[in-house]
Amino acid sequence: QKEVEQNSGPLSVPEGAIASLNCTYSDRGSQSFFWYRQYSGKSPELIMFIYSNGDKEDGRFTAQLNKASQYVSLLIRDSQPSDSATYLCAVNFAGANNLFFGTGTRLTVIP
Amino acid sequence: NAGVMQNPRHLVRRRGQEARLRCSPMKGHSHVYWYRQLPEEGLKFMVYLQKENIIDESGMPKERFSAEFPKEGPSILRIQQVVRGDSAAYFCASSPPLTGGNQPQHFGDGTRLSIL
Repeated sequence: QKEVEQNSGPLSVPEGAIASLNCTYSDRGSQSFFWYRQYSGKSPELIMFIYSNGDKEDGRFTAQLNKASQYVSLLIRDSQPSDSATYLCAVNFAGANNLFFGTGTRLTVIP
Repeated sequence: NAGVMQNPRHLVRRRGQEARLRCSPMKGHSHVYWYRQLPEEGLKFMVYLQKENIIDESGMPKERFSAEFPKEGPSILRIQQVVRGDSAAYFCASSPPLTGGNQPQHFGDGTRLSIL
């Protein structure tokens, strides 16, 4: 069974704090991992992708991947109210053509 | 606009009618994916197409649903004899012409389908 698990939240953090979003997946052979942001009623927007173990930074966003633990996370530094959205973790399982999505974590940044 | 283009943005149909959803991939992209998002649920894969070929339709319901990506024109997701349970947001995504699903996929704005 191919699964991507996320805590649905809501996760609330004060403005300026670090928001930490977590995701686990079922297939140890997975190679590609993606984080999307989705505002209510809008389409998913690609934030980060990561293929190798370790950290990948892009501006205020850092993706962290640990394939041995089957765990991928997204850190948002200096959180802003505009970061309030649902964050979707997506995994390309080995041999699959498509992405498998978690149900998302709803983040609220409190001014 | 060089992004993924979907139309219509909103579509209302009565039970038993047909729904046609269109998607033009991002410029330079040749792979198209359709996903469905039910209220309060995650995105679920439906079908993956390249020009004139269905590569993977493992997520498509066996009946009433079909998809195509002709040589010319947009990709079409067609739902025949719609039922209330088809009400959802349908998203199209595209990726560059490289193999496999490990390339970043970029999403269109979606079509919100409502069945009366």
